Amino acid sequence: TQLLEQSPQFLSIQEGENLTVYCNSSSVFSSLQWYRQEPGEGPVLLVTVVTGGEVKKLKRLTFQFGDARKDSSLHITAAQPGDTGLYLCAGEGNKLVFGAGTILRVKS
Amino acid sequence: NAGVMQNPRHLVRRRGQEARLRCSPMKGHSHVYWYRQLPEEGLKFMVYLQKENIIDESGMPKERFSAEFPKEGPSILRIQQVVRGDSAAYFCASSPLLGTQYFGPGTRLLVL
Repeated sequence: TQLLEQSPQFLSIQEGENLTVYCNSSSVFSSLQWYRQEPGEGPVLLVTVVTGGEVKKLKRLTFQFGDARKDSSLHITAAQPGDTGLYLCAGEGNKLVFGAGTILRVKS
Repeated sequence: NAGVMQNPRHLVRRRGQEARLRCSPMKGHSHVYWYRQLPEEGLKFMVYLQKENIIDESGMPKERFSAEFPKEGPSILRIQQVVRGDSAAYFCASSPLLGTQYFGPGTRLLVL
């Protein structure tokens, strides 16, 4: 069974701080996706990483896929209250496997 | 192009009743996936369907749960004789063949 572990589970920071969320697995995935979910809504895709070692940037968000395609990280620079939400990583193999998520709260 | 639509958004049922959750995929998408999410947890895969076919139902409980995606109309996730443990958010996603999955807003089921 493919499992994805996310850490930390919960993060509360002040506006302007930087943070990193991790997504780790013992399995290799063909691609890995990061989603952001707000309360009462469905997950919204942020990025898909496919190649080992790949780095993608989306404004203040930087996503990295591990060389062995087993892990990924999401780094947010100068966090803002609008970044608050549940961040989910999902690995694609036979099916999409989700991590439990990281709840981020950015206080102003 | 409308996104994935789910209804109802909220559903309250008493134990023993039936729950029917509907999902209309994005236009042009022929693949539908259902997931269940417990509070502050990730999504757990339930079932993957194409038009008139169940491709993978490995994540769906063997009893009381069923899913269909008819030739015409939305995909339906049906839960018979609901129990309190069925209370969760149920999300549908759709994709074109081998494409990215796009999620609907979910149906929040509460079993009293």
